[in-house]
Amino acid sequence: DAGITQSPRHKVTETGTPVTLRCHQTENHRYMYWYRQDPGHGLRLIHYSYGVKDTDKGEVSDGYSVSRSKTEDFLLTLESATSSQTSVYFCAISNGGYSNQPQHFGDGTRLSIL
Amino acid sequence: TQLLEQSPQFLSIQEGENLTVYCNSSSVFSSLQWYRQEPGEGPVLLVTVVTGGEVKKLKRLTFQFGDARKDSSLHITAAQPGDTGLYLCAGVETSGSRLTFGEGTQLTVNP
Repeated sequence: DAGITQSPRHKVTETGTPVTLRCHQTENHRYMYWYRQDPGHGLRLIHYSYGVKDTDKGEVSDGYSVSRSKTEDFLLTLESATSSQTSVYFCAISNGGYSNQPQHFGDGTRLSIL
Repeated sequence: TQLLEQSPQFLSIQEGENLTVYCNSSSVFSSLQWYRQEPGEGPVLLVTVVTGGEVKKLKRLTFQFGDARKDSSLHITAAQPGDTGLYLCAGVETSGSRLTFGEGTQLTVNP
């Protein structure tokens, strides 16, 4: 299994609070991604990174920010959580862009915003 | 964004039966990936198909990429309870800039 650790695995918090999810990899892969998975929508890309301090938006980036200060860590922050951000969040890594290399996923973080 | 539609959304069958899951789009993809996801875990890549008309086999699973690279199918022969899971298709857009996921097919194989 690819060395990807997501933390926390579960979190319950209140609307308006900041939340940070962490993805840690031990594979030294260049690309890292954050997805959310919701019923009826499949997996949707939030943000991705193609190197240290190099990030870009995905299709559902509003309300989320990311940071990558080290190759191995990719952080996803919800500045002020809303109930619509209740979801399961997955981190993925790959050693190349979409068309070159498959993605390997972590086991997810289940986030509930009350 | 290029869309991918999977069907059926849910499928419940008995052990030993055959089944086919479909992944369709009106757009062309440069390649298509199939993933399987179990509860509490992330998706795991099963196969990537790249060439129109390509067929790949993985034990009892057969994957096919449509000739026009707009659709794909997953056929499982003699399904077993261990095949239970969420099957996701994902297409790499021709621009190479995005991976689009279908909504998934939840398969349950009853013993």
